[in-house]
Amino acid sequence: DVKVTQSSRYLVKRTGEKVFLECVQDMDHENMFWYRQDPGLGLRLIYFSYDVKMKEKGDIPEGYSVSREKKERFSLILESASTNQTSMYLCASSFLQGIGDTQYFGPGTRLTVL
Amino acid sequence: AQKVTQAQTEISVVEKEDVTLDCVYETRDTTYYLFWYKQPPSGELVFLIRRNSFDEQNEISGRYSWNFQKSTSSFNFTITASQVVDSAVYFCALFSGTYKYIFGTGTRLKVLA
Repeated sequence: DVKVTQSSRYLVKRTGEKVFLECVQDMDHENMFWYRQDPGLGLRLIYFSYDVKMKEKGDIPEGYSVSREKKERFSLILESASTNQTSMYLCASSFLQGIGDTQYFGPGTRLTVL
Repeated sequence: AQKVTQAQTEISVVEKEDVTLDCVYETRDTTYYLFWYKQPPSGELVFLIRRNSFDEQNEISGRYSWNFQKSTSSFNFTITASQVVDSAVYFCALFSGTYKYIFGTGTRLKVLA
């Protein structure tokens, strides 16, 4: 079974702090994704990566950056957290690029920025 | 433009009732993929089904069934004899052309005992 894990289920941070969200997958997947989920808006893509050290902006990259130094790990970074980044963050991975391969999701991190 | 519409924000049913969750998609591509995910209260999205655009056969898996109709750009999901454990948010998603998976806004299903 594919396993995608995220470093924290719940996180509380203060405005202006630098925040790291970590995601690890154990199935040698090429692609990894970061989404945020907000009520009434569904899932919105922040960034994705199709290879080590490669990254592409999604629909809402402002205020975020990412890092993929190893194939299994994809980090989301909030350089200076703001209250409007309070949200549920979901990491996903998939095997092949370009053919609509199934995404597998982690349990999510509910981030609150005070 | 690519888009997924789940017009039903929330549905409540009584246990053992059948319920259908609607999904309408838009894409100009001829090759695309459609998905359904379940998100229980724990938060993790659980994969239910993947269907490509060339396979319009309906699918049944236990109490779950899916009706894919290209003519109406719909990929609806039916739960037969619903159970309390079916209570969750259900997402429909589209993959078309590029790297992007487009998600609908989700339908919250409440199954009452």
